Amino acid sequence: DGGITQSPKYLFRKEGQNVTLSCEQNLNHDAMYWYRQDPGQGLRLIYYSQIVNDFQKGDIAEGYSVSREKKESFPLTVTSAQKNPTAFYLCASMFVGQGVPGANVLTFGAGSRLTVL
Amino acid sequence: DQQVKQNSPSLSVQEGRISILNCDYTNSMFDYFLWYKKYPAEGPTFLISISSIKDKNEDGRFTVFLNKSAKHLSLHIVPSQPGDSAVYFCADIQGAQKLVFGQGTRLTINP
Repeated sequence: DGGITQSPKYLFRKEGQNVTLSCEQNLNHDAMYWYRQDPGQGLRLIYYSQIVNDFQKGDIAEGYSVSREKKESFPLTVTSAQKNPTAFYLCASMFVGQGVPGANVLTFGAGSRLTVL
Repeated sequence: DQQVKQNSPSLSVQEGRISILNCDYTNSMFDYFLWYKKYPAEGPTFLISISSIKDKNEDGRFTVFLNKSAKHLSLHIVPSQPGDSAVYFCADIQGAQKLVFGQGTRLTINP
């Protein structure tokens, strides 16, 4: 079954600790994304990557870091510099193309809920 | 500057009636929009899309309308069913294949 796997589903951390959220896809998609969901604010883009070894900041990148060493993997690190890290984090991927069924449509993982205690 | 706005945070509709979810946008690069549906503690799933070459796209009970002059799109669900209760997001593709989402509208279908 092709899809996106996020882990862990639930994560608790103490203030001042870094934490890394995993995202793996076997859809052979080039582009991968991290979004954050907060109540009443929709989905906000943290980082995205269109190709291996390259990534760009989204709208709310401060306090986060990513890497894209493999096509299938796009881990997100929430650092201690992120002032309000408690949120639901969503990873997504997309096939980029023209005139191809399913192209330019984000496929999301099931999400990871991070709670800072 | 919010490029995609969903001004109704919630909507309640009786089962069997029509649900209409609205979305306004500014500065769209490609006039290509998508609707996603999200249940609690799950990732959003793609529902339907529309591009600027059409003003309407239909898929079963779901129809999306695009009014380019008003910079407005709407999602119609008819007839509404209990399983349609979810949060609905509209999204716009910006440059570099980046999707910008609205704030979402929570739809509740009442029996």
